Amino acid sequence: RKEVEQDPGPFNVPEGATVAFNCTYSNSASQSFFWYRQDCRKEPKLLMSVYSSGNEDGRFTAQLNRASQYISLLIRDSKLSDSATYLCVVNKGQNFVFGPGTRLSVLP
Amino acid sequence: GAGVSQSPSNKVTEKGKDVELRCDPISGHTALYWYRQSLGQGLEFLIYFQGNSAPDKSGLPSDRFSAERTGGSVSTLTIQRTQQEDSAVYLCASSLGAGGGELFFGEGSRLTVL
Repeated sequence: RKEVEQDPGPFNVPEGATVAFNCTYSNSASQSFFWYRQDCRKEPKLLMSVYSSGNEDGRFTAQLNRASQYISLLIRDSKLSDSATYLCVVNKGQNFVFGPGTRLSVLP
Repeated sequence: GAGVSQSPSNKVTEKGKDVELRCDPISGHTALYWYRQSLGQGLEFLIYFQGNSAPDKSGLPSDRFSAERTGGSVSTLTIQRTQQEDSAVYLCASSLGAGGGELFFGEGSRLTVL
């Protein structure tokens, strides 16, 4: 089993749609969780950290379920500019493990 | 500089040659990470440094790969006797401390082994 697994994708959605990404991790000792965004042929950039109580940043909502070792990202009112690959990231001690990513295409 | 700087941005080499990739992290960041990403694939961890020491080098794929960091700053990833399967984008990232904070990535070094 991979340490971090994500929905295989790709997700093709119309503008304005709500889309949810799922991520599971295997290391129950992990303490830090993140969603990164990677545009085509670019480096990954932090989208948001994920906190135990759940957190929201504009159209983006992240949630963490420690018992199920599950992380989610919800994007509301999707924009063309949201098209990218979304990477789930979990710490492993002092290291970070990246999921394989889920590609999103928002269509006009 | 303001961000993580990597060089070269592109490197084409012949099979069997050695290559060196350089990463200059954000000033003051003590942790430095190397990943590689093959076309259409996820990020594969290679090695990370806390200061000048490498607590975890478990991701280095073979003994042809080595890395060092000097002065708690610049890091060099060296690949000896390159093979075609080494072709990938090599990404460097730094963070204020290891394990908990945001990773800031460089733009990567794209390596092509012919």
